[in-house]
Amino acid sequence: DQQVKQNSPSLSVQEGRISILNCDYTNSMFDYFLWYKKYPAEGPTFLISISSIKDKNEDGRFTVFLNKSAKHLSLHIVPSQPGDSAVYFCAASGASGGSNYKLTFGKGTLLTVNP
Amino acid sequence: DTAVSQTPKYLVTQMGNDKSIKCEQNLGHDTMYWYKQDSKKFLKIMFSYNNKELIINETVPNRFSPKSPDKAHLNLHINSLELGDSAVYFCATRDRPFSGNTIYFGEGSWLTVV
Repeated sequence: DQQVKQNSPSLSVQEGRISILNCDYTNSMFDYFLWYKKYPAEGPTFLISISSIKDKNEDGRFTVFLNKSAKHLSLHIVPSQPGDSAVYFCAASGASGGSNYKLTFGKGTLLTVNP
Repeated sequence: DTAVSQTPKYLVTQMGNDKSIKCEQNLGHDTMYWYKQDSKKFLKIMFSYNNKELIINETVPNRFSPKSPDKAHLNLHINSLELGDSAVYFCATRDRPFSGNTIYFGEGSWLTVV
């Protein structure tokens, strides 16, 4: 049962344009969401996160939007750069206590930014 | 100086063998994890230790046994390796278990069972 879904396995955009990566979740107990970036042959690295009390968090070129009612979040990268080409994982965790605090990952979306 | 380091990075071994993957962290975090990324690219938690004590044990075969000799180390021992064990295994850490804080990953250990 996939509780975190990234329905687009890949996305290709032109340099300078916006990249939008989407993520849906099913577990209403999730209240903290993260995006990780992964280059080939490396471990995932933290990119940006958002708590359920917010609907937007911005860090430089990266902005994460959260729509709790739709159980949907998205990562916007503006402007996209070739170095952003990587696999992006969406992850979610619940409140402290119980098994929901562990991070649950989506399958990832491969972003390719073309020069 | 790598915060979360795993060895070996690549491991090719035959079915039936026993192998270990080691993980060390220098972040001073209390919590360490093992994650597995299988051929379908799912990244799933296997185990979590907090201060050397097991706090998460997902549905993982008994052939997989984590060992935490101290707070900075969490090793993964796998007995009687099977073809389906081929995957990338990631060690990770977090400052404490019940928090929304960031998890830091190691670079991964590519295990191929032939």
